[in-house]
Amino acid sequence: ETGVTQSPTHLIKTRGQQVTLRCSSQSGHNTVSWYQQALGQGPQFIFQYYREEENGRGNFPPRFSGLQFPNYSSELNVNALELDDSALYLCASSLGGAYGDTQYFGPGTRLTVL
Amino acid sequence: GQQLNQSPQSMFIQEGEDVSMNCTSSSIFNTWLWYKQDPGEGPVLLIALYKAGELTSNGRLTAQFGITRKDSFLNISASIPSDVGIYFCAGQLVDRDDKIIFGKGTRLHILP
Repeated sequence: ETGVTQSPTHLIKTRGQQVTLRCSSQSGHNTVSWYQQALGQGPQFIFQYYREEENGRGNFPPRFSGLQFPNYSSELNVNALELDDSALYLCASSLGGAYGDTQYFGPGTRLTVL
Repeated sequence: GQQLNQSPQSMFIQEGEDVSMNCTSSSIFNTWLWYKQDPGEGPVLLIALYKAGELTSNGRLTAQFGITRKDSFLNISASIPSDVGIYFCAGQLVDRDDKIIFGKGTRLHILP
């Protein structure tokens, strides 16, 4: 077990709604990365937060946004949900402050958009 | 963008057999990673490779970082039932955001 926790475990929303997913990083880690994993695919990088600031972003539209809090936990917000947003959303925490840090993944939140 | 080609997509083997899977990329990576993902779980890091040519073992698992920095392989020796799962290769650019680029996975099935 990595010590990275995510909530909720599962979520069902309808098209057009908004969703907030939460991640608590491993103790001592100040960097959180978010990934989207569609069924049958590998995870895809959404963005990373380091010390409360966005530190890099993948190829996702602006309706995917995030926050990191002073305790380094993080939220992923998705507005105007689309059917294709149905996926497993993973967060990963790392020590930060040095390039190439190992990222430890949480169990994920399974989002279903109807 | 960077893409990883992971093969095979799936494997059916007998318990006790050795397994080999590999990953190639059109881009150079600084780090190659191999993860295993069980149903309902996030990926768990198995092996990390940091140097071209590096060969690293973790128990029955052995992985190598290709000399060209564009490929890697993972071998599992003497497979056991708990090896069942999806194995992902991933490349990491030692960069501002250290994002990990994942392959599509190799699904390993073990026949009784």
